Amino acid sequence: GAVVSQHPSWVICKSGTSVKIECRSLDFQATTMFWYRQFPKQSLMLMATSNEGSKATYEQGVEKDKFLINHASLTLSTLTVTSAHPEDSSFYICSARKGQRGAGEAFFGQGTRLTVV
Amino acid sequence: GESVGLHLPTLSVQEGDNSIINCAYSNSASDYFIWYKQESGKGPQFIIDIRSNMDKRQGQRVTVLLNKTVKHLSLQIAATQPGDSAVYFCAENDMRFGAGTRLTVKP
Repeated sequence: GAVVSQHPSWVICKSGTSVKIECRSLDFQATTMFWYRQFPKQSLMLMATSNEGSKATYEQGVEKDKFLINHASLTLSTLTVTSAHPEDSSFYICSARKGQRGAGEAFFGQGTRLTVV
Repeated sequence: GESVGLHLPTLSVQEGDNSIINCAYSNSASDYFIWYKQESGKGPQFIIDIRSNMDKRQGQRVTVLLNKTVKHLSLQIAATQPGDSAVYFCAENDMRFGAGTRLTVKP
């Protein structure tokens, strides 16, 4: 099966700093990548959808300037949490879809646990 | 289905029994649906998918049923095993997740 690697798997940062999370598709080209946030015992909340070479589409209520998404190549997307605050602490997960846009299985990374202190 | 951040409903079954997990979706135009399994602290894993031109699809020990009339999906797991304990989510092709169900298998 296809592999999606997310890095780092966990990170602790100080309030006010920025953190970058990487999502790589290792053995396929990802036309679309998705970023999620998950709180304990809750579902995955879609934050944004990004297609390679174009701007990400953010879900309602997600701050674009706070959560910067870059999908610069068919194998890499990054999520940068800018000026992080303790309320940004969460589990962030990416997924990548190969092939035709809008359909097909998406493969998930292992997630990044962000703790802001 | 829409991900609304609710606390997860739970389903507890005895090992060896069959499990049925349900999901309602909101977009009648969705034409592709996926079931994922998520274990604690990990990313979701693909279980099975179904396109809207089908109403049933079977995998190994799993069956997905799609009822487009009432916008409802179900995942049936046969002979449930302790390793099946996890949270199960359905997703539409726009990759929005349903609320999820926590399945606990009692030995």
